[in-house]
Amino acid sequence: AQTVTQSQPEMSVQEAETVTLSCTYDTSESNYYLFWYKQPPSRQMILVIRQEAYKQQNATENRFSVNFQKAAKSFSLKISDSQLGDTAMYFCASGGITFGNEKLTFGTGTRLTIIP
Amino acid sequence: EAGVAQSPRYKIIEKRQSVAFWCNPISGHATLYWYQQILGQGPKLLIQFQNNGVVDDSQLPKDRFSAERLKGVDSTLKIQPAKLEDSAVYLCASSSTGRGGNTIYFGEGSWLTVV
Repeated sequence: AQTVTQSQPEMSVQEAETVTLSCTYDTSESNYYLFWYKQPPSRQMILVIRQEAYKQQNATENRFSVNFQKAAKSFSLKISDSQLGDTAMYFCASGGITFGNEKLTFGTGTRLTIIP
Repeated sequence: EAGVAQSPRYKIIEKRQSVAFWCNPISGHATLYWYQQILGQGPKLLIQFQNNGVVDDSQLPKDRFSAERLKGVDSTLKIQPAKLEDSAVYLCASSSTGRGGNTIYFGEGSWLTVV
């Protein structure tokens, strides 16, 4: 079983600043992936970044990076140089590796607002 | 490359009526998911298909929800009879295989309001 917890329902930050979204998880899988998805008002979930649990190096995608602390079961998302287009709901999710366990379990989301 | 297509985008029905949602995944994607997202919550998996077989339907309320994926391509999710608590966005998603870590692509969702 997998659970994902996002403890920040809402956050806001000034444009061009850096913001960090928190996520903790629990899983019975020995190996797994962690994801951050962005959901704009259109409701389409868009993959922002993914991390494979056995890789120690934190994933980076342009302005987006993660801080993966496996022992603490923590997976935070850092957005640098925030832009107005980053305004959206952000969901943390986990998924297993093996067939049938790869489905995603999502947290409750953080609503991020970038202030001009 | 075309994305995951869903229809209808919006539907309003009265309780006890029925509704069906259609999903066309990305071409060649063997795995198809239906998620339910209630307002203020994260998406919750209803059912997962691999080709035309069901992999996981443990969270599908089978007394009122049904889903099929004939010929392993398009899928239909049906609710009959609908309840007020079924008001949600129904997200269809697909991935190329069932291997963990593959990108799962989502459609824009079908918004259901039950009154």
